[in-house]
Amino acid sequence: DTGVSQDPRHKITKRGQNVTFRCDPISEHNRLYWYRQTLGQGPEFLTYFQNEAQLEKSRLLSDRFSAERPKGSFSTLEIQRTEQGDSAMYLCASSLGTGTPSYEQYFGPGTRLTVT
Amino acid sequence: KNEVEQSPQNLTAQEGEFITINCSYSVGISALHWLQQHPGGGIVSLFMLSSGKKKHGRLIATINIQEKHSSLHITASHPRDSAVYICAVPYSGGGADGLTFGKGTHLIIQP
Repeated sequence: DTGVSQDPRHKITKRGQNVTFRCDPISEHNRLYWYRQTLGQGPEFLTYFQNEAQLEKSRLLSDRFSAERPKGSFSTLEIQRTEQGDSAMYLCASSLGTGTPSYEQYFGPGTRLTVT
Repeated sequence: KNEVEQSPQNLTAQEGEFITINCSYSVGISALHWLQQHPGGGIVSLFMLSSGKKKHGRLIATINIQEKHSSLHITASHPRDSAVYICAVPYSGGGADGLTFGKGTHLIIQP
């Protein structure tokens, strides 16, 4: 399977715990995106990497959230001191492109986080 | 930040009907994306278009850049088309950044 993969697929954690999610993009894709989707809503943009550089973060990405893409390949999203409001599906997507034109994004299956 | 409005939010139709879903956005863009999401499933890209019209099987997407409006049409709809259809545009209008999504249109096609 050469699509975008995410791990774990499901995570249940207690409030206050830290969690880390991993995303492996399509191998030649230089751009990687994190989104969050709550029940009944469309996804919301969190952050974006081009290679290893984090180029944009939305205001949704509070200080408790951090994302890395250390070698320009896989990426991790960490949430510290989880809150019940963090319960959502966390989606990763990747694309291949340079410059400003928009390129098709390929989405992973998501990691569903439940904070109890 | 681009704002995206989709309509209708919910649509139930009979098999064979012609379906139209509309999307409008606030900031000029390089391209607009139409995506499909099945319940409990991942998101699949259907179209990315920057002008005119694209067709893939029974799906047709059109865009009017001047009016900041796009439509997704499904001809001869089938129960397997039942899904959430989402319109998305670049977060701040350009293409290199992430996407801003509409809330989606929940489509049910009844046999």
